[in-house]
Amino acid sequence: SQTIHQWPATLVQPVGSPLSLECTVEGTSNPNLYWYRQAAGRGLQLLFYSVGIGQISSEVPQNLSASRPQDRQFILSSKKLLLSDSGFYLCAWSNEGQKSDTQYFGPGTRLTVL
Amino acid sequence: AQKITQTQPGMFVQEKEAVTLDCTYDTSDQSYGLFWYKQPSSGEMIFLIYQGSYDEQNATEGRYSLNFQKARKSANLVISASQLGDSAMYFCAMRAWGGGGNKLTFGTGTQLKVEL
Repeated sequence: SQTIHQWPATLVQPVGSPLSLECTVEGTSNPNLYWYRQAAGRGLQLLFYSVGIGQISSEVPQNLSASRPQDRQFILSSKKLLLSDSGFYLCAWSNEGQKSDTQYFGPGTRLTVL
Repeated sequence: AQKITQTQPGMFVQEKEAVTLDCTYDTSDQSYGLFWYKQPSSGEMIFLIYQGSYDEQNATEGRYSLNFQKARKSANLVISASQLGDSAMYFCAMRAWGGGGNKLTFGTGTQLKVEL
């Protein structure tokens, strides 16, 4: 069966510090991978998605970036965090071979920027 | 562009009763999918049920069913025999295959509380 991991689970960072969040998927190959952000009490906003190694599409212009160095690894980064980057970050995967292309989510990382 | 509207910010239901969570959508695409996710206080988004725009039957998964009314552009989630563990935030989402790319568009969610 497929599993998705995210770490760290929680993170408190000062403004201006760098960021690296990691997401890995097990049990599937060549998945589509996604990064979402959820502000407190809000729905999810898609930040980036990737259909393959090195292929990244950005949905929202911001000071965040994403990379996919391996087939089942997706990394969210920032060189300098802003207060507005605080939120709950969720990674998800899907497989286009499935009829519904359902996205399955990881446990999330709660980021607080102070 | 796709849009999902969930008009119920909060709902209460008694244990063992059924509850309907509303979702309406807007899209110009002919081929699309509708999803419901559950988000407990731990934060993880749990996939519940899927309905394709061309599916003739309403989707069912255990105690979850989706009341799909295409002409009205609604995809309401029905939870039967509510349990205390059903207390969570519920999100309706849509993916369009006609140009929406890989994007899932989410509603703002409905907070469900199941009471004894």
